Amino acid sequence: DGGITQSPKYLFRKEGQNVTLSCEQNLNHDAMYWYRQDPGQGLRLIYYSQIVNDFQKGDIAEGYSVSREKKESFPLTVTSAQKNPTAFYLCASSIWGSSTYEQYFGPGTRLTVT
Amino acid sequence: KNQVEQSPQSLIILEGKNCTLQCNYTVSPFSNLRWYKQDTGRGPVSLTIMTFSENTKSNGRYTATLDADTKQSSLHITASQLSDSASYICVVIRQTDSWGKLQFGSGTQVVVTP
Repeated sequence: DGGITQSPKYLFRKEGQNVTLSCEQNLNHDAMYWYRQDPGQGLRLIYYSQIVNDFQKGDIAEGYSVSREKKESFPLTVTSAQKNPTAFYLCASSIWGSSTYEQYFGPGTRLTVT
Repeated sequence: KNQVEQSPQSLIILEGKNCTLQCNYTVSPFSNLRWYKQDTGRGPVSLTIMTFSENTKSNGRYTATLDADTKQSSLHITASQLSDSASYICVVIRQTDSWGKLQFGSGTQVVVTP
């Protein structure tokens, strides 16, 4: 059963704590992405990685960090420096190298920080 | 200013009726345009993809149109079903050297009532 998995589906944290969101894919895709979704807004790109051990900042990278040690995995850490971390986080993956390659999305993690 | 604008923000339709969603964009350089369906609490799923030269693309009861000259697209849902209740997101892919950066609209929330 191929696809993208994100865990957990719901995550609750206290303000000031770092939290790591998991994203795994078995589609053999080179590239992986993290997006943030807020009510009434379009998805915004946080970080992306085109290859293992390399990643680039997206439009809203402040307060977030990532790693790409394995092709299948791209975890996102929401740090205490992120001022408004409560949101729905989506991971995606794709073949790298052309703008026509589709990005496939995971089921998302809803993070609530109080 | 968002480079992808969708209208209406939300709409309610009776089961069996048709509806049309609109998308205007200013993204440049243009690569392709996709419509995604996102069920509540889930990741977006691609419905259609259209390149510059394509005017119409269908996927079952979903028909997308593209006018690249006026930078407008529409998604028409025919004979709506309760399962069509979802957010429909217009995504314009901006051409870069080696990948396509996704620019998201904020979505149109469709509610189909019995």
